[in-house]
Amino acid sequence: SAVISQKPSRDICQRGTSLTIQCQVDSQVTMMFWYRQQPGQSLTLIATANQGSEATYESGFVIDKFPISRPNLTFSTLTVSNMSPEDSSIYLCSARDFDEKLFFGSGTQLSVL
Amino acid sequence: GDSVTQMEGPVTLSEEAFLTINCTYTATGYPSLFWYVQYPGEGLQLLLKATKADDKGSNKGFEATYRKETTSFHLEKGSVQVSDSAVYFCALSGRNTPLVFGKGTRLSVIA
Repeated sequence: SAVISQKPSRDICQRGTSLTIQCQVDSQVTMMFWYRQQPGQSLTLIATANQGSEATYESGFVIDKFPISRPNLTFSTLTVSNMSPEDSSIYLCSARDFDEKLFFGSGTQLSVL
Repeated sequence: GDSVTQMEGPVTLSEEAFLTINCTYTATGYPSLFWYVQYPGEGLQLLLKATKADDKGSNKGFEATYRKETTSFHLEKGSVQVSDSAVYFCALSGRNTPLVFGKGTRLSVIA
């Protein structure tokens, strides 16, 4: 089974700054996704990270705020830009392998002051 | 679009009680169905899954059966333990589509 390494595991950031979260999978996967889990809430899909092309964003999420890269089959980044306290959340990377199995990273706990 | 509806929490049970957490779904086609669990302070873990109608997923004493006729995937456990206290998420996924999650149900088991 695939193992997803996500970093940083947590960070405390100042309002107006940006944070890039990295997601590395130890084997090739077909699809990678980014989710947000706000305090006490369920997981909301931000976008599907597409290899070599622009990510596919869900309603309510835009590229200027959450730019995503996926340069190859095993790596993706999510940037949370111009942060505000409302962006305080857990951000999760997820991947699907060629056997259709889904895996999650351990998440990045972000607090914005 | 696809969606998952699960029962509102929190659910509080005494140890050894029977647990049911209801989950129904709306989807086009024939999705796979999942239950994920999130223990306090930990990440999301796959608890069980079913990929086609009438399949039963099971793990750690938990079971759920994929019911196409009622579009349901209810989670059950015959005798809960304090260590089962967690948030449980029902989810679905079609082929080559991301997971769609329910809102989660918090379970508290008291000794």
